[in-house]
Amino acid sequence: DAKTTQPTSMDCAEGRAANLPCNHSTISGNEYVYWYRQIHSQGPQYIIHGLKNNETNEMASLIITEDRKSSTLILPHATLRDTAVYYCIVRPILRGAQKLVFGQGTRLTINP
Amino acid sequence: NAGVMQNPRHLVRRRGQEARLRCSPMKGHSHVYWYRQLPEEGLKFMVYLQKENIIDESGMPKERFSAEFPKEGPSILRIQQVVRGDSAAYFCASSRQPTGLYGYTFGSGTRLTVV
Repeated sequence: DAKTTQPTSMDCAEGRAANLPCNHSTISGNEYVYWYRQIHSQGPQYIIHGLKNNETNEMASLIITEDRKSSTLILPHATLRDTAVYYCIVRPILRGAQKLVFGQGTRLTINP
Repeated sequence: NAGVMQNPRHLVRRRGQEARLRCSPMKGHSHVYWYRQLPEEGLKFMVYLQKENIIDESGMPKERFSAEFPKEGPSILRIQQVVRGDSAAYFCASSRQPTGLYGYTFGSGTRLTVV
């Protein structure tokens, strides 16, 4: 079962920053936070992951609270193509821990 | 530098027929994962394979479903005697390492429709 809680849906204006929250209050010390997204009818796409430090790549930034019980994915300048379902996933990086457990995610709609 | 290739993109089968879904992982990736997404539902893990070995099949239905990843060629997900409830999108993902630390790459999926 998914160990994260996300809002069901969110809206954001094109060009603005989209901030997607995720609660993972039961996260363990060896678990990473991963974000994937699924644009309609396509396969999921990896966005970013982190353990305890904030991370940034060409797609997004990931802010993890100091107690690691929640995180926020930030899309700095959202475009219409960012409309998708965003999944926050926690998983350990251990030998034998391969599968991703997807929850319901947040349906983000970028409005023109 | 092709990504994960799945074919066919769309597959229509009559009840009772067999469905074969193929997945070619990214070059250099030897770990393959299959997921199923029922209409209006989330993605569910089915099976994880390395070359010639099934590592985790905890998400596979007990009957009619099987998967393989031979030494040569693509991974195959086979569904025998399909029923309407098998209608779904089936996604394959691959990774270079078993932990998938830097994320998995997913294919575009095969949409199976059982009529």
